[in-house]
Amino acid sequence: DTAVSQTPKYLVTQMGNDKSIKCEQNLGHDTMYWYKQDSKKFLKIMFSYNNKELIINETVPNRFSPKSPDKAHLNLHINSLELGDSAVYFCASSQGTAGNEQFFGPGTRLTVL
Amino acid sequence: GQQVMQIPQYQHVQEGEDFTTYCNSSTTLSNIQWYKQRPGGHPVFLIQLVKSGEVKKQKRLTFQFGEAKKNSSLHITATQTTDVGTYFCPTPNDMRFGAGTRLTVKP
Repeated sequence: DTAVSQTPKYLVTQMGNDKSIKCEQNLGHDTMYWYKQDSKKFLKIMFSYNNKELIINETVPNRFSPKSPDKAHLNLHINSLELGDSAVYFCASSQGTAGNEQFFGPGTRLTVL
Repeated sequence: GQQVMQIPQYQHVQEGEDFTTYCNSSTTLSNIQWYKQRPGGHPVFLIQLVKSGEVKKQKRLTFQFGEAKKNSSLHITATQTTDVGTYFCPTPNDMRFGAGTRLTVKP
Protein backbone atom coordinates (compact mmCIF):
# COMPACT_ATOMS: atom_id res chain seq x y z
CA ASP A 1 0.00 0.00 0.00
CA THR A 2 1.37 3.37 -0.99
CA ALA A 3 1.56 5.71 1.99
CA VAL A 4 1.61 9.02 0.12
CA SER A 5 0.51 9.02 -3.49
CA GLN A 6 0.49 11.76 -6.09
CA THR A 7 -1.11 12.02 -9.48
CA PRO A 8 -0.04 12.53 -12.13
CA LYS A 9 3.60 11.43 -12.02
CA TYR A 10 4.43 13.47 -15.08
CA LEU A 11 2.69 16.55 -16.41
CA VAL A 12 3.66 18.32 -19.63
CA THR A 13 1.66 21.38 -20.54
CA GLN A 14 1.76 24.67 -22.36
CA MET A 15 2.36 28.07 -20.84
CA GLY A 16 -0.83 29.75 -19.71
CA ASN A 17 -2.70 26.55 -18.96
CA ASP A 18 -4.23 25.64 -15.60
CA LYS A 19 -3.38 22.30 -14.03
CA SER A 20 -3.90 20.39 -10.80
CA ILE A 21 -1.82 17.86 -8.91
CA LYS A 22 -3.51 15.56 -6.43
CA CYS A 23 -2.10 14.10 -3.26
CA GLU A 24 -3.49 11.49 -0.90
CA GLN A 25 -2.07 9.90 2.22
CA ASN A 26 -3.37 6.80 3.96
CA LEU A 27 -1.25 7.15 7.10
CA GLY A 28 -3.87 8.92 9.17
CA HIS A 29 -1.64 11.99 9.47
CA ASP A 30 -3.13 15.38 10.22
CA THR A 31 -0.54 17.55 8.46
CA MET A 32 0.25 17.69 4.76
CA TYR A 33 2.76 19.71 2.75
CA TRP A 34 3.64 20.77 -0.75
CA TYR A 35 7.27 21.24 -1.77
CA LYS A 36 8.88 22.42 -4.99
CA GLN A 37 12.27 21.09 -6.08
CA ASP A 38 14.07 22.89 -8.87
CA SER A 39 16.67 21.53 -11.26
CA LYS A 40 19.45 22.26 -8.77
CA LYS A 41 17.74 20.07 -6.19
CA PHE A 42 16.78 23.02 -3.99
CA LEU A 43 13.79 21.76 -2.03
CA LYS A 44 11.48 24.52 -0.93
CA ILE A 45 8.35 24.29 1.17
CA MET A 46 5.32 25.96 -0.37
CA PHE A 47 2.37 25.17 1.87
CA SER A 48 1.46 23.22 4.95
CA TYR A 49 -1.99 22.23 6.13
CA ASN A 50 -2.87 20.93 9.57
CA ASN A 51 -6.35 19.46 9.95
CA LYS A 52 -7.38 21.17 6.73
CA GLU A 53 -6.14 24.56 7.94
CA LEU A 54 -3.35 26.44 6.24
CA ILE A 55 -0.41 26.85 8.67
CA ILE A 56 2.56 27.55 6.40
CA ASN A 57 2.23 29.68 3.31
CA GLU A 58 5.59 30.65 1.93
CA THR A 59 6.11 33.39 -0.60
CA VAL A 60 4.45 31.64 -3.47
CA PRO A 61 2.66 33.36 -6.37
CA ASN A 62 -1.08 33.43 -5.83
CA ARG A 63 -1.39 31.43 -9.05
CA PHE A 64 -0.75 28.47 -6.74
CA SER A 65 -3.75 27.50 -4.66
CA PRO A 66 -3.77 24.51 -2.34
CA LYS A 67 -7.02 22.84 -1.43
CA SER A 68 -7.56 20.35 1.35
CA PRO A 69 -11.00 18.73 1.12
CA ASP A 70 -10.18 16.47 4.07
CA LYS A 71 -7.19 15.49 6.20
CA ALA A 72 -6.13 12.77 3.77
CA HIS A 73 -5.99 14.95 0.68
CA LEU A 74 -4.10 18.07 -0.31
CA ASN A 75 -4.36 19.15 -3.91
CA LEU A 76 -2.40 21.84 -5.68
CA HIS A 77 -3.96 23.92 -8.41
CA ILE A 78 -1.80 26.13 -10.58
CA ASN A 79 -3.24 28.85 -12.79
CA SER A 80 -1.61 30.46 -15.81
CA LEU A 81 1.42 28.21 -15.81
CA GLU A 82 4.80 29.81 -16.53
CA LEU A 83 8.10 28.37 -17.71
CA GLY A 84 9.58 28.89 -14.24
CA ASP A 85 6.98 26.60 -12.72
CA SER A 86 8.76 23.63 -14.28
CA ALA A 87 10.00 21.54 -11.37
CA VAL A 88 9.28 18.44 -9.36
CA TYR A 89 6.50 18.92 -6.84
CA PHE A 90 6.44 16.73 -3.76
CA CYS A 91 3.60 16.16 -1.40
CA ALA A 92 4.38 15.02 2.14
CA SER A 93 2.57 14.26 5.35
CA SER A 94 3.38 14.01 9.04
CA GLN A 95 1.63 13.45 12.30
CA GLY A 96 1.50 16.80 14.03
CA THR A 97 3.20 19.90 12.77
CA ALA A 98 6.83 20.57 11.94
CA GLY A 99 9.40 18.55 13.79
CA ASN A 100 7.93 15.13 13.15
CA GLU A 101 9.02 12.66 10.52
CA GLN A 102 7.67 13.49 7.09
CA PHE A 103 6.64 10.93 4.53
CA PHE A 104 7.04 12.06 0.95
CA GLY A 105 5.14 11.11 -2.15
CA PRO A 106 6.96 10.05 -5.31
CA GLY A 107 6.77 13.52 -6.84
CA THR A 108 5.15 15.06 -9.91
CA ARG A 109 7.49 16.28 -12.62
CA LEU A 110 5.88 19.32 -14.20
CA THR A 111 7.23 20.60 -17.50
CA VAL A 112 5.88 23.82 -18.90
CA LEU A 113 6.60 24.41 -22.59
CA GLY B 1 12.88 32.52 10.44
CA GLN B 2 15.30 29.88 11.59
CA GLN B 3 18.09 29.05 9.17
CA VAL B 4 20.34 26.06 8.93
CA MET B 5 23.38 26.20 6.68
CA GLN B 6 24.52 22.91 5.22
CA ILE B 7 28.02 22.27 3.94
CA PRO B 8 29.43 21.22 1.63
CA GLN B 9 26.95 21.68 -1.17
CA TYR B 10 28.65 19.00 -3.27
CA GLN B 11 31.02 16.20 -2.41
CA HIS B 12 32.58 13.69 -4.75
CA VAL B 13 34.41 10.76 -3.20
CA GLN B 14 36.06 7.56 -4.26
CA GLU B 15 34.23 4.46 -3.14
CA GLY B 16 35.60 3.42 0.22
CA GLU B 17 36.41 6.95 1.36
CA ASP B 18 34.60 8.58 4.26
CA PHE B 19 32.14 11.44 3.87
CA THR B 20 30.81 14.06 6.27
CA THR B 21 28.17 16.73 5.87
CA TYR B 22 27.47 19.45 8.43
CA CYS B 23 24.48 21.51 9.40
CA ASN B 24 25.01 24.71 11.35
CA SER B 25 22.50 27.05 12.92
CA SER B 26 22.96 30.41 14.61
CA THR B 27 20.16 29.56 17.03
CA THR B 28 19.41 26.58 19.24
CA LEU B 29 17.50 23.84 17.50
CA SER B 30 14.76 21.84 19.21
CA ASN B 31 15.79 18.82 17.19
CA ILE B 32 17.39 17.94 13.88
CA GLN B 33 16.21 15.53 11.25
CA TRP B 34 18.16 14.02 8.39
CA TYR B 35 16.73 12.92 5.05
CA LYS B 36 18.23 11.22 2.03
CA GLN B 37 17.05 11.60 -1.54
CA ARG B 38 18.35 9.17 -4.12
CA PRO B 39 18.66 10.42 -7.72
CA GLY B 40 15.20 10.42 -9.26
CA GLY B 41 13.60 9.59 -5.92
CA HIS B 42 11.92 11.38 -3.08
CA PRO B 43 13.31 12.42 0.31
CA VAL B 44 13.29 9.64 2.87
CA PHE B 45 13.58 10.19 6.59
CA LEU B 46 16.77 8.79 8.12
CA ILE B 47 16.79 9.89 11.73
CA GLN B 48 15.87 12.51 14.30
CA LEU B 49 18.19 13.76 17.04
CA VAL B 50 16.76 15.53 20.06
CA LYS B 51 19.21 15.52 22.94
CA SER B 52 22.29 17.68 23.36
CA GLY B 53 25.40 15.74 22.36
CA GLU B 54 23.37 12.83 21.02
CA VAL B 55 25.10 10.32 18.76
CA LYS B 56 23.22 7.69 16.80
CA LYS B 57 24.46 5.08 14.39
CA GLN B 58 22.85 3.30 11.50
CA LYS B 59 25.32 0.79 10.12
CA ARG B 60 27.97 2.93 8.39
CA LEU B 61 26.14 6.21 9.13
CA THR B 62 26.87 8.18 12.31
CA PHE B 63 24.71 11.14 13.26
CA GLN B 64 25.71 13.70 15.88
CA PHE B 65 23.90 16.58 17.52
CA GLY B 66 26.14 19.24 19.03
CA GLU B 67 26.30 19.99 22.73
CA ALA B 68 24.82 23.42 22.16
CA LYS B 69 22.17 21.98 19.82
CA LYS B 70 23.26 24.39 17.11
CA ASN B 71 24.95 21.98 14.77
CA SER B 72 24.76 18.44 13.54
CA SER B 73 26.76 16.14 11.33
CA LEU B 74 26.26 13.01 9.29
CA HIS B 75 29.32 10.86 8.75
CA ILE B 76 29.42 7.92 6.37
CA THR B 77 32.25 5.46 6.79
CA ALA B 78 33.62 3.69 3.71
CA THR B 79 31.14 5.06 1.21
CA GLN B 80 29.45 2.78 -1.27
CA THR B 81 27.71 3.57 -4.53
CA THR B 82 24.41 3.06 -2.74
CA ASP B 83 25.16 6.14 -0.64
CA VAL B 84 24.80 8.39 -3.69
CA GLY B 85 22.14 11.04 -3.25
CA THR B 86 21.35 14.35 -1.62
CA TYR B 87 21.30 14.60 2.16
CA PHE B 88 19.13 17.22 3.84
CA CYS B 89 18.79 18.60 7.36
CA PRO B 90 15.66 20.76 7.35
CA THR B 91 14.99 23.46 9.92
CA PRO B 92 12.79 21.84 12.56
CA ASN B 93 10.16 24.54 12.97
CA ASP B 94 9.21 25.16 9.38
CA MET B 95 10.90 22.29 7.50
CA ARG B 96 13.01 24.36 5.15
CA PHE B 97 15.14 21.79 3.31
CA GLY B 98 17.36 23.99 1.15
CA ALA B 99 19.86 22.51 -1.30
CA GLY B 100 21.30 19.80 0.92
CA THR B 101 24.62 18.10 0.23
CA ARG B 102 24.86 16.15 -2.98
CA LEU B 103 27.13 13.13 -2.69
CA THR B 104 28.52 11.31 -5.68
CA VAL B 105 30.65 8.18 -5.34
CA LYS B 106 33.10 6.97 -7.94
CA PRO B 107 33.33 3.17 -8.08
